Amino acid sequence: EADIYQTPRYLVIGTGKKITLECSQTMGHDKMYWYQQDPGMELHLIHYSYGVNSTEKGDLSSESTVSRIRTEHFPLTLESARPSHTSQYLCASSLAATGELFFGEGSRLTVL
Amino acid sequence: AQSVTQLDSQVPVFEEAPVELRCNYSSSVSVYLFWYVQYPNQGLQLLLKYLSGSTLVESINGFEAEFNKSQTSFHLRKPSVHISDTAEYFCAVSDRMNYGGSQGNLIFGKGTKLSVKP
Repeated sequence: EADIYQTPRYLVIGTGKKITLECSQTMGHDKMYWYQQDPGMELHLIHYSYGVNSTEKGDLSSESTVSRIRTEHFPLTLESARPSHTSQYLCASSLAATGELFFGEGSRLTVL
Repeated sequence: AQSVTQLDSQVPVFEEAPVELRCNYSSSVSVYLFWYVQYPNQGLQLLLKYLSGSTLVESINGFEAEFNKSQTSFHLRKPSVHISDTAEYFCAVSDRMNYGGSQGNLIFGKGTKLSVKP
């Protein structure tokens, strides 16, 4: 059973606020990912990490930033949220060998 | 680069009817193929995958998909659906040679919403 957790599940904030979406996994996976999901659209990879101190930008340009100080933790930060950041953000992890992605339940962000 | 096309955005069916969710991919290299399912208010879960071997792969809940290299397809089928199969289904492709590396990240389709009616 997958053990990957995202908080908060739902967040409504005003423009200009700084937010951090938390993601933690207890499976010891090396690779972790952040996807952005909008209705009727493909999941877009915005950040990924191969391991501690490794972060890479994904296919979709994003104003968010990530860090990977510990294997199990991969938070995503928006320094100044805007309405265009309104979306669902999905965190995932995988073992490099199998590549199967394990997803968290998502964080739905609404910026007013 | 790879791409995935899911031809139907929504598929309504009646309970116990058969269903096929279509997926076509584009790639200049050999690929791995996946189907993920997302139930309401949840994250995605792996449903089944094709890595090698038999081109017909099955899930534990009765879904199957067949890799067709000549038609570049990986359609998902179930002979008799249940209400509980109502969900969104995502097809995904990965570059086989670069699997696990930056070039091998999964590329997802736009998803197909399966709605099973009683």
